[in-house]
Amino acid sequence: AQSVTQLGSHVSVSEGALVLLRCNYSSSVPPYLFWYVQYPNQGLQLLLKYTSAATLVKGINGLEAEFKKSETSFHLTKPSAHMSDAAEYFCAVSDKGFQKLVFGTGTRLLVSP
Amino acid sequence: DGGITQSPKYLFRKEGQNVTLSCEQNLNHDAMYWYRQDPGQGLRLIYYSQIVNDFQKGDIAEGYSVSREKKESFPLTVTSAQKNPTAFYLCASSPTRTGELFFGEGSRLTVL
Repeated sequence: AQSVTQLGSHVSVSEGALVLLRCNYSSSVPPYLFWYVQYPNQGLQLLLKYTSAATLVKGINGLEAEFKKSETSFHLTKPSAHMSDAAEYFCAVSDKGFQKLVFGTGTRLLVSP
Repeated sequence: DGGITQSPKYLFRKEGQNVTLSCEQNLNHDAMYWYRQDPGQGLRLIYYSQIVNDFQKGDIAEGYSVSREKKESFPLTVTSAQKNPTAFYLCASSPTRTGELFFGEGSRLTVL
């Protein structure tokens, strides 16, 4: 069975600081990995996805995630946090068939001025 | 505009009552999903459907039922057999075999 683990239910940073949200996966087959964001009382939106092409995946607004097979990780980074980045972030994993996604428990990012 | 519409946004129900949550999409996606979200537990898959007139149980299907009679619609019924139904319910759709889910804004169900 596939699963993802997100370390840290809450991460706090100052505006302008580096953002690092951690995601480790477990999969017996080559995984496909995703990062989604959720703002309060809304659905989730896709930020970026890894599907076995380039290991460094770039999203919008400076977001990046790097697939590291040796570390079974897919951490999300952003060089400089903005107040509007405050939200809950979810990592997810799927197999090649994409029949269903398995989500992590989420990390709430708090950004202080 | 294309998207996914969930209704109602807020719903209150008495114990022992069934309730149906609506999910409609006009994105022409084949796959549709229902997830349940509880604080600190992330999203858990209830049911999913890859094609009309076919659906599969997810990880927490007990106490729920679905139908997929039309491509655009995937309603979820929360039955009285669901012991702890108070939660935020999210519907999503996806083009076949992309892994990219498009979510509705959710329905918050509270059992009184």
